[in-house]
Amino acid sequence: DAGVIQSPRHEVTEMGQEVTLRCKPISGHDYLFWYRQTMMRGLELLIYFNNNVPIDDSGMPEDRFSAKMPNASFSTLKIQPSEPRDSAVYFCASSPGPRRNIQYFGAGTRLSVL
Amino acid sequence: AQSVTQPDIHITVSEGASLELRCNYSYGATPYLFWYVQSPGQGLQLLLKYFSGDTLVQGIKGFEAEFKRSQSSFNLRKPSVHWSDAAEYFCAVGASSDYKLSFGAGTTVTVRA
Repeated sequence: DAGVIQSPRHEVTEMGQEVTLRCKPISGHDYLFWYRQTMMRGLELLIYFNNNVPIDDSGMPEDRFSAKMPNASFSTLKIQPSEPRDSAVYFCASSPGPRRNIQYFGAGTRLSVL
Repeated sequence: AQSVTQPDIHITVSEGASLELRCNYSYGATPYLFWYVQSPGQGLQLLLKYFSGDTLVQGIKGFEAEFKRSQSSFNLRKPSVHWSDAAEYFCAVGASSDYKLSFGAGTTVTVRA
């Protein structure tokens, strides 16, 4: 299995631009999680999906952030408009039910907003 | 809600020496416990997990961890570290009631020759 695949690996953009991060979970996994990692706040859960349905988005910082999962093999995290404080590494993870707590992480997208 | 504390921000250890990383959790019931490792520029890789049963858990890369309910701890150990073990290590706790993990702040391990 190829594991969780994220793209792009690096993204540099200017403040105000729209940013879209992409994730392909491991085939057969029912749960998908988006995290943000920063030096100041560590790893934060932003949102997670079960069977393509958003279950808990309480970690999404602002309305500028949105996430979708149109099918079982693809999810996006969008920031519009982006701000410098959004600079971070964004991870996607997937988990098989019923061992839902075991999460497998992608390599991450390093986002720099100038 | 559950939470995790990793008291050591940074540990330096000599190659071949033993390593122990501390993890304390807060959760009212029996937790699900995990250790992940993150190498520079990489995602998090699962080292080992504890759900129930034997409190001494074996993982990959020669790591083990021991669950101690009385101390609310889940410390990670390795008898003899290799230079490739230099990385950041995260302890995480999950609950049986939901699907989320709470991560500690991480411990960075440096291995000196």
